[in-house]
Amino acid sequence: AQKVTQAQTEISVVEKEDVTLDCVYETRDTTYYLFWYKQPPSGELVFLIRRNSFDEQNEISGRYSWNFQKSTSSFNFTITASQVVDSAVYFCALSAPSGSARQLTFGSGTQLTVLP
Amino acid sequence: AAGVIQSPRHLIKEKRETATLKCYPIPRHDTVYWYQQGPGQDPQFLISFYEKMQSDKGSIPDRFSAQQFSDYHSELNMSSLELGDSALYFCASSPGLAGLETQYFGPGTRLLVL
Repeated sequence: AQKVTQAQTEISVVEKEDVTLDCVYETRDTTYYLFWYKQPPSGELVFLIRRNSFDEQNEISGRYSWNFQKSTSSFNFTITASQVVDSAVYFCALSAPSGSARQLTFGSGTQLTVLP
Repeated sequence: AAGVIQSPRHLIKEKRETATLKCYPIPRHDTVYWYQQGPGQDPQFLISFYEKMQSDKGSIPDRFSAQQFSDYHSELNMSSLELGDSALYFCASSPGLAGLETQYFGPGTRLLVL
């Protein structure tokens, strides 16, 4: 069975603060992909990043960075110098070959509010 | 770049009515997925198609059916609508059936059942 846990239901920060969103996953597969999606108040789901299970190199893209640690089954997402436009629900998701290979299993989401 | 197109964007129906949602995938994407997102919930997988054949089935009610057409667009048909069907319905597309491709989501269809 696959499971994604986002323990933080809501986070509120003041603009320019750094914020880290946590994601812990469970899968029996050795090959899998992890994703982060952003859902702003307008409702669409925006793809942010994909990581495969063999690539533990962490990445920085502008104000976004990701920390993938296979040993702890975590795939955390950090926004540096947050902005009001970052306010959204952020979903971590997992795709793996076992079971229904073609579906994404989502975490419950973290509502991030960035205050001016 | 072209994105996934969904229509309509908003839909209001009465209980027991029928609704049809349409999805046009990104060009050259041959796999389509449908997800349902209830208020305050994460998206739940309903069904997927690859090359016009159903590839996976999730928690899709028997009252719902879907298909993928020769031009790769997909339609989700929902009959005997219930109040609990009110949700945001997403279509996503990806290239190939590997199961490990990135799924790109459309803007969603917001369905309200009264």
